Amino acid sequence: DTGVSQDPRHKITKRGQNVTFRCDPISEHNRLYWYRQTLGQGPEFLTYFQNEAQLEKSRLLSDRFSAERPKGSFSTLEIQRTEQGDSAMYLCASSLDTSGGRTEAFFGQGTRLTVV
Amino acid sequence: AQKVTQAQTEISVVEKEDVTLDCVYETRDTTYYLFWYKQPPSGELVFLIRRNSFDEQNEISGRYSWNFQKSTSSFNFTITASQVVDSAVYFCALSEWRLTGGGNKLTFGTGTQLKVEL
Repeated sequence: DTGVSQDPRHKITKRGQNVTFRCDPISEHNRLYWYRQTLGQGPEFLTYFQNEAQLEKSRLLSDRFSAERPKGSFSTLEIQRTEQGDSAMYLCASSLDTSGGRTEAFFGQGTRLTVV
Repeated sequence: AQKVTQAQTEISVVEKEDVTLDCVYETRDTTYYLFWYKQPPSGELVFLIRRNSFDEQNEISGRYSWNFQKSTSSFNFTITASQVVDSAVYFCALSEWRLTGGGNKLTFGTGTQLKVEL
């Protein structure tokens, strides 16, 4: 499978616990994005990476959220001290952006987080 | 600020009917990209089309067609002869366009749930 993969697909956690999600982008893609989608809404941008550099973070990304892409390949999104309001689908996407052009973003199947 | 409005929350049609999903956008950028994505129950967003703001030609791909009208800031999506497999949530999205650097972050609408029944 050469698409974007996310792990785990589902996560149930107790309020106050920390959780970490992983995203493996399409191998040749240099850009990686994280989005959050709540029920009945469209995805909202959280952050993106160009290779290993985190270039932009949304105001939605509170101090409890941190994302990394240490070697410019896979990425992790950690949420510390989870709150019930963090319950959502977390989507990862990747794209290839070069001087010659830009592909569209390809999305993974998401990680559904439920905070109880 | 960019904004995408999909006023239709839910549409139900009978198989073989044609259906149009509306999308209206707002942006201060003179150059931008518009997209449509499909989200089936499995959750994965499936890319359908990308259109840049330079190109106002309508596009047809099989049963799908898109009508881009810059004058009304609309990018509507029509499915001809709908099928049960078309049932999904459809999102319209907008992104900025820059020659170098910048992001490709998408601003999504709230989606339209399409239900196609036998």
